[in-house]
Amino acid sequence: EAGVTQSPTHLIKTRGQQVTLRCSPISGHTSVYWYQQALGLGLQFLLWYDEGEERNRGNFPPRFSGRQFPNYSSELNVNALELEDSALYLCVSSLGQGTVYGYTFGSGTRLTVV
Amino acid sequence: AQSVTQLGSHVSVSEGALVLLRCNYSSSVPPYLFWYVQYPNQGLQLLLKYTTGATLVKGINGFEAEFKKSETSFHLTKPSAHMSDAAEYFCAVIDYGNNRLAFGKGNQVVVIP
Repeated sequence: EAGVTQSPTHLIKTRGQQVTLRCSPISGHTSVYWYQQALGLGLQFLLWYDEGEERNRGNFPPRFSGRQFPNYSSELNVNALELEDSALYLCVSSLGQGTVYGYTFGSGTRLTVV
Repeated sequence: AQSVTQLGSHVSVSEGALVLLRCNYSSSVPPYLFWYVQYPNQGLQLLLKYTTGATLVKGINGFEAEFKKSETSFHLTKPSAHMSDAAEYFCAVIDYGNNRLAFGKGNQVVVIP
């Protein structure tokens, strides 16, 4: 069974640019969560998608957005990049509503903003 | 809302010594608790979880954790540290109100030869 796939694995962007990160969950998983892991800040919850709908978002500005497609894959978009957006972005796949099913993490996308 | 606290961001342990990582939780309902490990430039991998039943939970790589309701704790231990245990460890609890996991700040474990 394939795990959670994220692309790209690394990228470098310039301040003010826009970026799109992609995630494919485990087959059969309908929920996708996005977390930001910046140096020294732990894991910060960004967004939760389930069955194609945005269910919840963390305390991030509107320039962080995303969507979930009918095949349950997801994109995270960040507009007007700032230096502090440099972080590891982790996609998480879950079987359904309710994290009692547990999370499966992707390996992340390392974003560097210069 | 449910939350967890992990104290001491960096933990140094000698090879062969006991690994002890502390986690205290806050929850108004019976908690579901997790420990995850993260190796450099990788995602998080589940070590073990407590849902119901036996309070001593055994996980992968020789780790175990004990749920103590009276102390609101879920500390992670391993009797003998190995060099391969060098990683970051996160404790997490289900945040029912927001339907997601709430993570602690993490412990960076360094194993000294």
